[in-house]
Amino acid sequence: SQTIHQWPATLVQPVGSPLSLECTVEGTSNPNLYWYRQAAGRGLQLLFYSVGIGQISSEVPQNLSASRPQDRQFILSSKKLLLSDSGFYLCAFRAGGNTGELFFGEGSRLTVL
Amino acid sequence: AQSVAQPEDQVNVAEGNPLTVKCTYSVSGNPYLFWYVQYPNRGLQFLLKYITGDNLVKGSYGFEAEFNKSQTSFHLKKPSALVSDSALYFCAVRDPSNYQLIWGAGTKLIIKP
Repeated sequence: SQTIHQWPATLVQPVGSPLSLECTVEGTSNPNLYWYRQAAGRGLQLLFYSVGIGQISSEVPQNLSASRPQDRQFILSSKKLLLSDSGFYLCAFRAGGNTGELFFGEGSRLTVL
Repeated sequence: AQSVAQPEDQVNVAEGNPLTVKCTYSVSGNPYLFWYVQYPNRGLQFLLKYITGDNLVKGSYGFEAEFNKSQTSFHLKKPSALVSDSALYFCAVRDPSNYQLIWGAGTKLIIKP
């Protein structure tokens, strides 16, 4: 079966520190991978998506970057966190050939102080 | 432009009563529609989808959704609400131009005992 793992679940970081959130998918090959941010427990903002290794599309200009070093691994990074980077980050995947539904990880709560 | 609207920020229902969470969409061509549920501090869980066929789609946890092409709606329903149904619900439609999901703003469902 297809599963997605995301970590860490909770992170408290000072302003100006680096960030690395990691996401891995199992049970499928060449998935589309996504990073979303959810602010204030509501709307979803698509940050990055990837259709293959090394292929990253950025949806909004920001302080964050994403990388896909392996087929089923997606990493969200920042060199220097800002207060505005606080939020709930969700990784998701879409299996190849399906009708478009995404499957989400459990999320990472980032608090920047 | 493709879009999804969830006109209710919050819906309050008494336990045991039927519930409806509304969703309307605007998309070119045949819509692919989805419902997700999110419990506090958790990732989104896929509930159901409409691709084609029967206008009444059944999903997880006793939920169903009714596709209405003339009204461009895809309302989520359940005959008898449970307190445990209290959560944030998202409607989404697939953008036919790039296969990305377009998300509604979310509706908070509160079921009172």
